[in-house]
Amino acid sequence: TQLLEQSPQFLSIQEGENLTVYCNSSSVFSSLQWYRQEPGEGPVLLVTVVTGGEVKKLKRLTFQFGDARKDSSLHITAAQPGDTGLYLCAGARATDSWGKFQFGAGTQVVVTP
Amino acid sequence: DSGVTQTPKHLITATGQRVTLRCSPRSGDLSVYWYQQSLDQGLQFLIQYYNGEERAKGNILERFSAQQFPDLHSELNLSSLELGDSALYFCASRTGTDEKLFFGSGTQLSVL
Repeated sequence: TQLLEQSPQFLSIQEGENLTVYCNSSSVFSSLQWYRQEPGEGPVLLVTVVTGGEVKKLKRLTFQFGDARKDSSLHITAAQPGDTGLYLCAGARATDSWGKFQFGAGTQVVVTP
Repeated sequence: DSGVTQTPKHLITATGQRVTLRCSPRSGDLSVYWYQQSLDQGLQFLIQYYNGEERAKGNILERFSAQQFPDLHSELNLSSLELGDSALYFCASRTGTDEKLFFGSGTQLSVL
């Protein structure tokens, strides 16, 4: 069982559409991070959310941290083919040692022209 | 370029063998993480070192071991390899004062 559950597992949309990816847990996290991974490469950090209820925007990407710090979402507006990739959420539980970062299984996003 | 260097990029070996994967963290980063990524398991946390000391352990098999050297580079040793050990192995580093992880490009291990 994954500590962080991501949904959906796979998302295929057309250019210009919007999409939302979810990351849920029954545990409280001190912070959550979102990464994007492309084939043959390591994950690249997109954002870190720290405060419950926090909303961060990165161009067309909007990240939200749940009030209880147990869940997060990533919303992409007007998706482009360059947004294609594996989106991963990650975090260290508030009760774990500060270094124990764990990842969700990821959501594979495919944006077609 | 993340600044984290992993070698080799590809490794092909046989069952029962032993291999060593190497990671050089970003300049100044004290903390090194190892992850295993496979299609069915996703990105699994193996182990973390901070300034030469083991700090956190995840789902690391007893056949696997790691260490971090005084110059802060790290090695992951995999022994008695099995077919199921075939995966991408990633190293990541962080400064220790914030929570940003920087990943290398990984080592693709194929056990035949």
